[in-house]
Amino acid sequence: GEDVEQSLFLSVREGDSSVINCTYTDSSSTYLYWYKQEPGAGLQLLTYIFSNMDMKQDQRLTVLLNKKDKHLSLRIADTQTGDSAIYFCAEILIYNQGGKLIFGQGTELSVKP
Amino acid sequence: GAVVSQHPSWVICKSGTSVKIECRSLDFQATTMFWYRQFPKQSLMLMATSNEGSKATYEQGVEKDKFLINHASLTLSTLTVTSAHPEDSSFYICSARVSGVVTGELFFGEGSRLTVL
Repeated sequence: GEDVEQSLFLSVREGDSSVINCTYTDSSSTYLYWYKQEPGAGLQLLTYIFSNMDMKQDQRLTVLLNKKDKHLSLRIADTQTGDSAIYFCAEILIYNQGGKLIFGQGTELSVKP
Repeated sequence: GAVVSQHPSWVICKSGTSVKIECRSLDFQATTMFWYRQFPKQSLMLMATSNEGSKATYEQGVEKDKFLINHASLTLSTLTVTSAHPEDSSFYICSARVSGVVTGELFFGEGSRLTVL
């Protein structure tokens, strides 16, 4: 089935690291994504990881992928108040006409000064 | 990066009227566009996949006669909410994929907030 699960809330202090976790169910997903949504806005792609990778680092962002456990995490180093937003993980399901993204519920990150 | 534009950003309409939302890829061609619906504090629910030049593919439980999708060109898809009711009030977001790139990045519009009175 298609199911992506995330914890709903995370609160951290400015300067700390944030770790947002996600589990997915489709082992055939080739790409896994992290999107950021600020209030009243669309989604902004933060980063993605190909399924044959264990880790991807992009400036303050580190993505870890455990394919065996179907677990994906996003670490934000030196979290800033501007990082406060909702973060969605998503897996791509491939079908014969292409692929579609299935999103988790989103994790609301609150950064306290 | 590629830009996807949605219009209008917000719309208020009376119950029973129809509302059209446009999704444009501004600097790339998009054979496939996706329409999502998002309720407050909730995730995005895929409504349908819009394919240029052919009928849209609707997800289970989405009424195709209620939510009309037209993808007439490689840069424009429209979602028409017909005979809107208050329960149709929601945030509608479109996304587009660059043509020919099956697993590539999806670019999202800024969303359209529909309020039906």
